[in-house]
Amino acid sequence: DQQVKQNSPSLSVQEGRISILNCDYTNSMFDYFLWYKKYPAEGPTFLISISSIKDKNEDGRFTVFLNKSAKHLSLHIVPSQPGDSAVYFCAASGNNNDMRFGAGTRLTVKP
Amino acid sequence: DSGVTQTPKHLITATGQRVTLRCSPRSGDLSVYWYQQSLDQGLQFLIQYYNGEERAKGNILERFSAQQFPDLHSELNLSSLELGDSALYFCASSETPLTGREQYFGPGTRLTVT
Repeated sequence: DQQVKQNSPSLSVQEGRISILNCDYTNSMFDYFLWYKKYPAEGPTFLISISSIKDKNEDGRFTVFLNKSAKHLSLHIVPSQPGDSAVYFCAASGNNNDMRFGAGTRLTVKP
Repeated sequence: DSGVTQTPKHLITATGQRVTLRCSPRSGDLSVYWYQQSLDQGLQFLIQYYNGEERAKGNILERFSAQQFPDLHSELNLSSLELGDSALYFCASSETPLTGREQYFGPGTRLTVT
């Protein structure tokens, strides 16, 4: 069962513009959400996280928004840079020690 | 460099065989996680250990087992291998026992079962 879904397998944006990556979840027990970035031949790298008690968390060019009623989170990257080109995974976890990852979205930032 | 090391980088073996993957966590991290990433799929959480004890279990097959040793390194044992077990296996570590918090991933072991 796919409790965490990233419905867009790929996204292409122009350098300097905003990248918006989306993620939906179905399990209302999830209370902590994370985004990871993955380059080829490397392991995922933690980017940013958000607890369910917040609706926004910002770290430099990266902002994560959480809409609990819609069970939806998004990652905004502004401005996008060519070095941001990677696969982005969202992940969710809950107090029951469950943890799920989405299938990933491949972001390409064109110079 | 995340500080998490995994060996070997690549492993090729035949169906029915058994292999062991090894992971050393970041210095100071007590939690170790194992994940499987099959072709074109996301990361599947397999299992978490914290300070030598099993902490959380995901979609780990009965043919797979893991342990964490007193020096905190961990091993994932895969037995009676099938073609479908071919995948990238990642290890990750974190300070906290809380499942699903920020983790640091190793570079992965690519397993090919022929």
